[in-house]
Amino acid sequence: KAGVTQTPRYLIKTRGQQVTLSCSPISGHRSVSWYQQTPGQGLQFLFEYFSETQRNKGNFPGRFSGRQFSNSRSEMNVSTLELGDSALYLCASSLGAVQETQYFGPGTRLLVL
Amino acid sequence: AQSVTQLGSHVSVSEGALVLLRCNYSSSVPPYLFWYVQYPNQGLQLLLKYTSAATLVKGINGFEAEFKKSETSFHLTKPSAHMRDAAEYFCAVSDLGRALTFGSGTRLQVQP
Repeated sequence: KAGVTQTPRYLIKTRGQQVTLSCSPISGHRSVSWYQQTPGQGLQFLFEYFSETQRNKGNFPGRFSGRQFSNSRSEMNVSTLELGDSALYLCASSLGAVQETQYFGPGTRLLVL
Repeated sequence: AQSVTQLGSHVSVSEGALVLLRCNYSSSVPPYLFWYVQYPNQGLQLLLKYTSAATLVKGINGFEAEFKKSETSFHLTKPSAHMRDAAEYFCAVSDLGRALTFGSGTRLQVQP
C-alpha cells in the first residue's frame, strides 16, 4: 500500500501571499490531520478532517483553513502568509477511530520570505 | 487537557549501549500513547503505541516502552544502540478528539 503523499515537498513564498498544500492519504483511510512543526513551537495540531467534515481544530488563526474531498484527499490553505508560518507541514492519515495510528507523510517545507 | 513532557532534549549514547528516552504524560482520560521517530528531512514514523492491551509494548527496530500508570510514564528503551538509531524521537498522547499532543522531542546521538 502506498503511504501518505504530500505535494509539493518544498515551497518558497513571500509575505502576504497565500499557499495551498495537498495531502493524499493511505488508501481506505478517511481521516486526515494536519500538523505544523517549527523549531520553536514543536509539533502542533492544526485540524482534522473526516468524511469531508472538519472534526477537530487546533489553536491556530483563521488564516489556516482546510478541506477534504470525497476521495479523502485533503488540502490546507494559509492566507496572508507571515514569516512565522515558515515550517514543516505534516499530514497524517488514519482509519479515524481514537486508538488508530496516524501515519505521517514526508511533509511540505514552507519558507516565507 | 493532555500534555507530554520529554526529559532531555539531547541524549548521547555509545553504540551498543542502552537507550533510554523518557516520557511523562498528563491526561484526564485513559491515554493512548505513541512513540514516533523522525529522521532528517522526513516525516514521522511510528515506533510503537500503547492502547491498554499490555503495559509492555514492543515496537519496530528493537524498541520497547513500558506504560506505568502510577508514574504517568511511558519511557522508550532499546537494549543496544545502533548508529542508524540516531534521529529525533517524539512521545505523543492522543485524546478522545484524536489529535496528537507531542512532546518537544529528544534528539538521540549514537557515538561510534
